Amino acid sequence: QSVLTQPPSASGTPGQRVTISCSGSSSNIGSNSVNWYQQLPGTAPKLLTHSNNQRPSGVPDRFSGSKSGNSASLAISGLQSEDEADYYCAAWDDSLNGVVFGGGTKLTVL
Amino acid sequence: EVQLVETGGGLIQPGGSLRLSCAASGLTVSSSYMSWVRQAPGKGLEWVSFIYSGGSTIHADSVKGRFTISRDNSKNTLYLQMNSLRAEDTAIYYCARQGDSAWGAFDYWGQGALVTVSS
Repeated sequence: QSVLTQPPSASGTPGQRVTISCSGSSSNIGSNSVNWYQQLPGTAPKLLTHSNNQRPSGVPDRFSGSKSGNSASLAISGLQSEDEADYYCAAWDDSLNGVVFGGGTKLTVL
Repeated sequence: EVQLVETGGGLIQPGGSLRLSCAASGLTVSSSYMSWVRQAPGKGLEWVSFIYSGGSTIHADSVKGRFTISRDNSKNTLYLQMNSLRAEDTAIYYCARQGDSAWGAFDYWGQGALVTVSS
């Protein structure tokens, strides 16, 4: 049981916009920044967004993060087949004194 | 270019010990905040341990008292000593660098080392 809650799956067609949600509590998302990762099959996770809505250099602007209260979202616009991957949210948890992750969302591009 | 290369994984019996290494290049382990993150087969990510640049460490409750994170500054290498291993510790173990932004934003990752705990 993950501390942060994500839907197990999401899907969309090429060109579509999809969003993935991440729900937490006041001790994690409510008081700390949210980060998102993309994990392609058989590879290490890749930092997609950090500090709620910042993209590392090289990440396309099709990916955008947002946060409101105890929840966060990752939006992917102009969906492409290569976006098919697992997506994870992460944040610091003040009560657990550590980083917590969501359970992951498997994105399928139909 | 930053590279993190984990070694030391393998098959180990329950109750046994194993030490993972993470050799870094392109960054200085002693001046970075470094972590271990694991992923059980077919499951999600789980943070394991942090070592701060000053040397202090923290561990997740699930491994506290059994796992120890450390580093060798002269070798620019991060370690994870794992004792009293259990079946539920079976996972790919990644070393990762905490970036200069939000906590939990790991900007560089190794390729991972598979640890299998089984009799």
